[in-house]
Amino acid sequence: GAVVSQHPSWVICKSGTSVKIECRSLDFQATTMFWYRQFPKQSLMLMATSNEGSKATYEQGVEKDKFLINHASLTLSTLTVTSAHPEDSSFYICSARGPTSGFAEQYFGPGTRLTVT
Amino acid sequence: SQQGEEDPQALSIQEGENATMNCSYKTSINNLQWYRQNSGRGLVHLILIRSNEREKHSGRLRVTLDTSKKSSSLLITASRAADTASYFCATGNAGNMLTFGGGTRLMVKP
Repeated sequence: GAVVSQHPSWVICKSGTSVKIECRSLDFQATTMFWYRQFPKQSLMLMATSNEGSKATYEQGVEKDKFLINHASLTLSTLTVTSAHPEDSSFYICSARGPTSGFAEQYFGPGTRLTVT
Repeated sequence: SQQGEEDPQALSIQEGENATMNCSYKTSINNLQWYRQNSGRGLVHLILIRSNEREKHSGRLRVTLDTSKKSSSLLITASRAADTASYFCATGNAGNMLTFGGGTRLMVKP
């Protein structure tokens, strides 16, 4: 149980285009999802916290107009990278937390590798 | 922002040896977790230790936590080539947010 999927697993897009990444909790309802970005050989940096039915909370330095997050249902959150540039190339990972409390209940997706050319 | 540092940044050992990774953090925590990440993949949760615990075991993993020194260690005993991965510590605060350390890249040579 507690599986989180991401789609696509990798994507290549041209500079200036927008890319949407989906994060789904497959067998549980996720009231909260998190989006992280990871550059090569670096750690995960939290970008934003997505709560179902409300606006996402962005970390300092993350442009909310560039990284659009929508958490329309208890099983789906999407991250849209708008007007992508080569510096947005990164590994994007989502995680989902279920409705019960407990830190161990944050489950990570397999990640999406974005390359902007 | 990252909560703290992991030490060493990279570690290379022979199969069968033990691997020890350390994690230091800066602020008070509710718990500390260790994750493994294989190259280009997602994270796998290994173990969670709460702030009122000092040591925890899970199979070949042993985690210690010293809140007075704001540090934790992860010991992998009898390492295997399959243990080759990056290992991250993450601290959890009262708001259930995770902050990750810089990671240790472990290579276990067969």
